[in-house]
Amino acid sequence: QKEVEQNSGPLSVPEGAIASLNCTYSDRVSQSFFWYRQYSGKSPELIMSIYSNGDKEDGRFTAQLNKASQYVSLLIRDSQPSDSATYLCAVKSDFGNEKLTFGTGTRLTIIP
Amino acid sequence: DTAVSQTPKYLVTQMGNDKSIKCEQNLGHDTMYWYKQDSKKFLKIMFSYNNKELIINETVPNRFSPKSPDKAHLNLHINSLELGDSAVYFCASSQDLSGGAKETQYFGPGTRLLVL
Repeated sequence: QKEVEQNSGPLSVPEGAIASLNCTYSDRVSQSFFWYRQYSGKSPELIMSIYSNGDKEDGRFTAQLNKASQYVSLLIRDSQPSDSATYLCAVKSDFGNEKLTFGTGTRLTIIP
Repeated sequence: DTAVSQTPKYLVTQMGNDKSIKCEQNLGHDTMYWYKQDSKKFLKIMFSYNNKELIINETVPNRFSPKSPDKAHLNLHINSLELGDSAVYFCASSQDLSGGAKETQYFGPGTRLLVL
């Protein structure tokens, strides 16, 4: 079983709609959760981090965390063509010297 | 100013050669990382250094040897390159390992290695 799982996609969403990206993780002691965006040929860039259950909003982005279900999601409202990228979910425990484990990423395409 | 920089950006070499990739961060961070991203975009940690001390050493062939001369630099030397080493190698840094936002990792632009 993979430690961090994401739907590989591609996920196609019409411009202006809500894009929903999902991620599940297997390590129950995970404490820190991150969403990175990676454009083709570029490096991953952090767009959201979340550490406690519930929702966290930043502009058009909302991260949702449910530790009981070991599930973290990213919602992108009013999707724009510039949101087309691969989104990487990353998970980490906070017990010192623990590695950041990435999912395989979901490729998102926003259709104009 | 580039926060995390890597050189070279592209590296094309023959099997069996030895090559090095350099990474520098000007963020004042204590922790640096090397990742390998394969053709399927899977990003996997290779090594991590905190204050020049090796703290994460994943199952990586001995041909890969990291070196951290100081907190701002983490280099990766690869001996006897193999076809399977072809990938994008990313360097990253974080403030420290004290948890939360301080462990947010910032990535360099990547080094695209092609072994022929």
